[in-house]
Amino acid sequence: EPEVTQTPSHQVTQMGQEVILRCVPISNHLYFYWYRQILGQKVEFLVSFYNNEISEKSEIFDDQFSVERPDGSNFTLKIRSTKLEDSAMYFCASSSGIGETQYFGPGTRLLVL
Amino acid sequence: GENVEQHPSTLSVQEGDSAVIKCTYSDSASNYFPWYKQELGKGPQLIIDIRSNVGEKKDQRIAVTLNKTAKHFSLHITETQPEDSAVYFCAARGPGAGNMLTFGGGTRLMVKP
Repeated sequence: EPEVTQTPSHQVTQMGQEVILRCVPISNHLYFYWYRQILGQKVEFLVSFYNNEISEKSEIFDDQFSVERPDGSNFTLKIRSTKLEDSAMYFCASSSGIGETQYFGPGTRLLVL
Repeated sequence: GENVEQHPSTLSVQEGDSAVIKCTYSDSASNYFPWYKQELGKGPQLIIDIRSNVGEKKDQRIAVTLNKTAKHFSLHITETQPEDSAVYFCAARGPGAGNMLTFGGGTRLMVKP
């Protein structure tokens, strides 16, 4: 069964450093998403991406965040200058179309020290 | 924006009993309501979903009901098994272009053998 994969599974970084989280969505999917879950809190939407551009973003997704689909298979989330409060589990998801089921990856646990 | 509240936050049942988790949403324009199961260390996995043109949907031991007038929807698990133990999240999707899901706070279900 096709699945969304994410790398790395864990990342530890120093405050102020840049991190790139990587995702490989399901191969025939066209819509891609990033969500995050701070420990003990709700899963929160960050951004959705379609046709090589952002379709929607939340207030959390400020200028420190960017997304990119650098090739035909990868979808990345970059945090330019990490803050302590960026520590969270980051989930990538994909769907085959607008309104279709979103399938989530296993997540990347980011710890900012 | 959309706000989803989920209750209870924890639920403990005996194996074989039923479990019910309830969610309310605020945006009457929301039209899609998935339920995700999250096991420790994994990403959310879709278990069932319902669209706003349907009042109930069932898949084996799992059912979801939707009351659009009252803006609430519920997950029902019958004949619970220890492997049903996990955190369950409800979510709602509004009609926005980005397909964003708004999640509830989660319910930790514990099924005691």
